[in-house]
Amino acid sequence: EDQVTQSPEALRLQEGESSSLNCSYTVSGLRGLFWYRQDPGKGPEFLFTLYSAGEEKEKERLKATLTKKESFLHITAPKPEDSATYLCAVAFGGYNKLIFGAGTRLAVHP
Amino acid sequence: DVKVTQSSRYLVKRTGEKVFLECVQDMDHENMFWYRQDPGLGLRLIYFSYDVKMKEKGDIPEGYSVSREKKERFSLILESASTNQTSMYLCASSGDGTSTDTQYFGPGTRLTVL
Repeated sequence: EDQVTQSPEALRLQEGESSSLNCSYTVSGLRGLFWYRQDPGKGPEFLFTLYSAGEEKEKERLKATLTKKESFLHITAPKPEDSATYLCAVAFGGYNKLIFGAGTRLAVHP
Repeated sequence: DVKVTQSSRYLVKRTGEKVFLECVQDMDHENMFWYRQDPGLGLRLIYFSYDVKMKEKGDIPEGYSVSREKKERFSLILESASTNQTSMYLCASSGDGTSTDTQYFGPGTRLTVL
């Protein structure tokens, strides 16, 4: 079955404490993997697209990496404003639609 | 910057009412999508459209219909609203030249059906 699994479900960090979020997928013919940030009551905000194993992308304190089975979102020295739910999604095969993971709720405390 | 707008941020309707949710994108994207998001269930695809007047069912189309008369506008219709359709509704679009799959979301409409 095609699916996307994110872990952990929730993560609590102290400000400055680096960590990683995981997104594993079981699909055939991956076309792209996407990371989004979602604040409470708002729509998801696009962060990154990764297309092939070995690819990395960075934005401020965030760095996304991709292997053949999973992606990691590394958060370096997080700040309280990084608190949000982070969603992962994949495009695969001949489908126009994405499959989304359930998300990781990140809370960064001062 | 991609801009996806939704007609209302908050909406309260009564059971049995016909409800229209409007979505407009300004980037000439081919594809448009409607999702609902509920706690514990994540994002679920209701309908999508890959061209004007074209539509395809997503994972949970029951109780909903859609309309796409113009490329930039995609409407979600609840023919007879029910309380189990209380949810956050999110519209997205995709299809620019560099990354046709990347979806850009609107701010969402929080619909409450009483």
